[in-house]
Amino acid sequence: DIVMTQSPLSLAVTPGEPASISCRSSQSLLHSNGYNYLDWYLQKPGQSPQLLIYLGSIRASGVPDRFSGSGTGTDFTLKISRVEAEDVGVYYCTQALPPPGLTFGGGTKVEIK
Amino acid sequence: QVQLVQSGAEIKKPGASMKVSCKASGYTFTSYAIYWVRQAPGQRLEWLGWINGDKGDTKYSRDFQGRVTLTRDTSASTAFMELTNLRSDDTAIYYCARNSITEGTLFYWGQGTAVTVSS
Repeated sequence: DIVMTQSPLSLAVTPGEPASISCRSSQSLLHSNGYNYLDWYLQKPGQSPQLLIYLGSIRASGVPDRFSGSGTGTDFTLKISRVEAEDVGVYYCTQALPPPGLTFGGGTKVEIK
Repeated sequence: QVQLVQSGAEIKKPGASMKVSCKASGYTFTSYAIYWVRQAPGQRLEWLGWINGDKGDTKYSRDFQGRVTLTRDTSASTAFMELTNLRSDDTAIYYCARNSITEGTLFYWGQGTAVTVSS
């Protein structure tokens, strides 16, 4: 099974400052079709997870452009250019290589300083 | 708009079974798969399996194979997740979710169903 490892475990950020979360997979998520099957979700306190980024770098509908995803193969990064108070929660990376059997990272908790 | 509405919280005894429902609306139920994911207290999200809304094909996580069964009722636009032989570590919030453009990406989520397993 593919293992997803995130770092850091937690992050305290001053509003307006950038933040970066790393995700590493135990196997390449780069499919022969050229897409990286790596998604990012945010679970805000008391809510269901919500999709932020899919296929490594595509923002889901309605996601602010301060969120960006990058990386390929086994190493990926989620960046928030300017953290806002509403961005607090736990961020998860997920591999979804077809045929999908999903594996989630351990999560990164983002708090506001 | 797409909505997934799950059944209410449950309390079960060890060894019992549970069945959670997920009623879909706002789209053609048979056009997409429904995925099931759970989150135990303080733990990462865990994928249990998915069911194709059209043909009913299923794929289960190896961690739950033999204990989980996914079904659907297309006439009611509802998916079901049954987990048997419950243990205390099955205490979790169970979510259904739907894919969209890409197979394994979960674009829409239910509100979650809290299940407590306790003697």
